[in-house]
Amino acid sequence: GENVEQHPSTLSVQEGDSAVIKCTYSDSASNYFPWYKQELGKRPQLIIDIRSNVGEKKDQRIAVTLNKTAKHFSLHITETQPEDSAVYFCAASWNSGYSTLTFGKGTMLLVSP
Amino acid sequence: ETGVTQTPRHLVMGMTNKKSLKCEQHLGHNAMYWYKQSAKKPLELMFVYNFKEQTENNSVPSRFSPECPNSSHLFLHLHTLQPEDSALYLCASSQDNDRNYGYTFGSGTRLTVV
Repeated sequence: GENVEQHPSTLSVQEGDSAVIKCTYSDSASNYFPWYKQELGKRPQLIIDIRSNVGEKKDQRIAVTLNKTAKHFSLHITETQPEDSAVYFCAASWNSGYSTLTFGKGTMLLVSP
Repeated sequence: ETGVTQTPRHLVMGMTNKKSLKCEQHLGHNAMYWYKQSAKKPLELMFVYNFKEQTENNSVPSRFSPECPNSSHLFLHLHTLQPEDSALYLCASSQDNDRNYGYTFGSGTRLTVV
């Protein structure tokens, strides 16, 4: 089955800095890679996703890059703000008729004012 | 609310109790999932229902029993649980066809087994 590794487990940055979270996956058949943000005591929310037919996708201050050859993908957050503080999860899945996502362990991002 | 509603939000139960978690989605999705979230562990897939049929069971102990009476409702029946089963149980739904889509999660049920 799929295995997703996520690093780092904790990331502390100053407000305004950039943050990068990296994930690797094992199954070369995986073709869908979403990122979720989970604030303390709240549900995970989809913030951005990328499919295997593109290498990069941006949405305002967040971007995701995908390297299929190396089987890794990364989340980039620019101009970080305190409200970006949360746990971020990467995930991977392949189309088997239903989307069974395999998640990474999560990265706790702390943005200090 | 996101369109996926879980009840109860918090549950404390003894090891001999029987209880049920409920999940309801009004998004018209055709797949529903149960995930377990424990501290410092990845989200663990427990069960998948696609078009009301169970399509995956990730070696979950029989003390957890899922039920999906229709594509909008999902239950997780609990009995004779262990303290290590204490966790946040998340329900999610998605629309599956020939492409993958992300999940919409419910707010979860915080379960404590005493």
